[in-house]
Amino acid sequence: EPEVTQTPSHQVTQMGQEVILRCVPISNHLYFYWYRQILGQKVEFLVSFYNNEISEKSEIFDDQFSVERPDGSNFTLKIRSTKLEDSAMYFCATGYRINTEAFFGQGTRLTVV
Amino acid sequence: DQQVKQNSPSLSVQEGRISILNCDYTNSMFDYFLWYKKYPAEGPTFLISISSIKDKNEDGRFTVFLNKSAKHLSLHIVPSQPGDSAVYFCAASANRDDKIIFGKGTRLHILP
Repeated sequence: EPEVTQTPSHQVTQMGQEVILRCVPISNHLYFYWYRQILGQKVEFLVSFYNNEISEKSEIFDDQFSVERPDGSNFTLKIRSTKLEDSAMYFCATGYRINTEAFFGQGTRLTVV
Repeated sequence: DQQVKQNSPSLSVQEGRISILNCDYTNSMFDYFLWYKKYPAEGPTFLISISSIKDKNEDGRFTVFLNKSAKHLSLHIVPSQPGDSAVYFCAASANRDDKIIFGKGTRLHILP
């Protein structure tokens, strides 16, 4: 069964460092998303990406965050200068149609120290 | 502002009985509703969905009911099995938006 793959599974970084989280979407999917879940809290929307551009983003997704699909396959989330409060599980999700179900990867646990 | 509310943080149900998970929403623009299941250290797994043009959708042991006038939906699992123990997230999206809004989740414990 096709699945969304995320790497790394766990990333530990020092505050102020840049991190890049990677996602390989399901091959025929056109809509890409990043969500995060801070420990014990709800899953929060960060950004959606379609046709090589951001289609929607939340208040969380400030100038420290960026997304791209550099080689037409991998979908990446970059955090330029990490803060302690960026520590969370980051989930990539992809979908084949807007306003329908999205399929999630297993997540990357980001720990900022 | 919680647009999707799951007021029960946890629920315990005897194996073999029916599990009913509830969800309320506030945004009248939502027209597509989803339930996701999540095990620890894994991503949410899509379970079942319903469009606002329907009031019921069934898939095996899982049935989702939608009451638009009450802005309420529920997920019924029958019969409940041990593998159903997980966190269940209610989620919703609006036609104009390219995002899914999640509730806080309900942890379901299936008791032997």
